[in-house]
Amino acid sequence: SAVISQKPSRDICQRGTSLTIQCQVDSQVTMMFWYRQQPGQSLTLIATANQGSEATYESGFVIDKFPISRPNLTFSTLTVSNMSPEDSSIYLCSVDRDYITDTQYFGPGTRLTVL
Amino acid sequence: AQSVAQPEDQVNVAEGNPLTVKCTYSVSGNPYLFWYVQYPNRGLQFLLKYITGDNLVKGSYGFEAEFNKSQTSFHLKKPSALVSDSALYFCAVRGTGFQKLVFGTGTRLLVSP
Repeated sequence: SAVISQKPSRDICQRGTSLTIQCQVDSQVTMMFWYRQQPGQSLTLIATANQGSEATYESGFVIDKFPISRPNLTFSTLTVSNMSPEDSSIYLCSVDRDYITDTQYFGPGTRLTVL
Repeated sequence: AQSVAQPEDQVNVAEGNPLTVKCTYSVSGNPYLFWYVQYPNRGLQFLLKYITGDNLVKGSYGFEAEFNKSQTSFHLKKPSALVSDSALYFCAVRGTGFQKLVFGTGTRLLVSP
């Protein structure tokens, strides 16, 4: 398995501001993922982050709104920019060592509330 | 395109009774199937997975799931439910080749004492 930590665990932010969420893994991993879970909803993939290359965004998500960094094999950040109340969600980091059959492990999540 | 259906928003069961949480899927090629559990204010915890081999997969906390290719189902089961099993359960699928993990809408399990 993988031990994944996220900071902050929760935050309350004002409209128009930005928040950067950090994800730290206890071992090197090839692929890291960022998901959003809106209140009462399932998980939606925002983007896939590979070290040394730009993140790949899913339909409906853009880099200007959700810039991602992946400086090394154990760390990634997701920034939620110019926030609005619709961005209030749980944001989860996930890792996968073998993208074909291995298990994706999830961090504890960051609960974001935008006022 | 991949998809997962969890037809029940909520499943209610009495403690000690068997439980089933349903999941059906659609994917091109061979499916890789997963179950995760989410407790309140927590991230997702991996329960079990089916990649290949025996259709009955055993996982954490006494849970098991049965892969049925003809019915494209992967139902989660437990012989005797505990109150502590009350949580939100997600089924997920990934197809062959690198395809993203797609989640179902989740099923809330409520086990009453």
